[in-house]
Amino acid sequence: GENVEQHPSTLSVQEGDSAVIKCTYSDSASNYFPWYKQELGKRPQLIIDIRSNVGEKKDQRIAVTLNKTAKHFSLHITETQPEDSAVYFCAGNSGGSNYKLTFGKGTLLTVNP
Amino acid sequence: DADVTQTPRNRITKTGKRIMLECSQTKGHDRMYWYRQDPGLGLQLIYYSFDVKDINKGEISDGYSVSRQAQAKFSLSLESAIPNQTALYFCATSDSGVNTGELFFGEGSRLTVL
Repeated sequence: GENVEQHPSTLSVQEGDSAVIKCTYSDSASNYFPWYKQELGKRPQLIIDIRSNVGEKKDQRIAVTLNKTAKHFSLHITETQPEDSAVYFCAGNSGGSNYKLTFGKGTLLTVNP
Repeated sequence: DADVTQTPRNRITKTGKRIMLECSQTKGHDRMYWYRQDPGLGLQLIYYSFDVKDINKGEISDGYSVSRQAQAKFSLSLESAIPNQTALYFCATSDSGVNTGELFFGEGSRLTVL
């Protein structure tokens, strides 16, 4: 089955700096890679996703890049703000389905004012 | 607003007790899931269901069972709770009719087994 590894487990940045979180996956059939944000005490929510037919996707200050050959994808947050502080999870879809996600273990991002 | 609702939100129980966590949704989605979250371990899939007649095991189904009573209701049971089942449990839904795998999570049920 799919194995998704996520690094780093914790990341601390100064407000205004950029943050990058990286994930690798094992299943070459995976073709859908979402990122979820979970604020303290809240439910996870989708913030951006990418499919394997594109290499990059942007939405305002966040972007995701995908390297299919190397089987890794990354979340980039620019101009970080304190409200970006949260746990971020990457995921990949097992066997190329869009209903069975394998999640990474999460990255706790802290943005210091 | 359409939502995913979990009950109870918090529960403390003792080893050996039977526990049921309930999930209902008003999103009209056909797919429902139960995930378990432990600190530092991410979200692990316990069971998932595509409709009332379809139940599938996830990564960590041992010690758990589920029931899909209706399209909108999906319950998770622990027949005989043990301390290592102490965790935060999330129900989630998704819509097979759209070209996206987006999961919509409930607020979570925190279970403590003493």
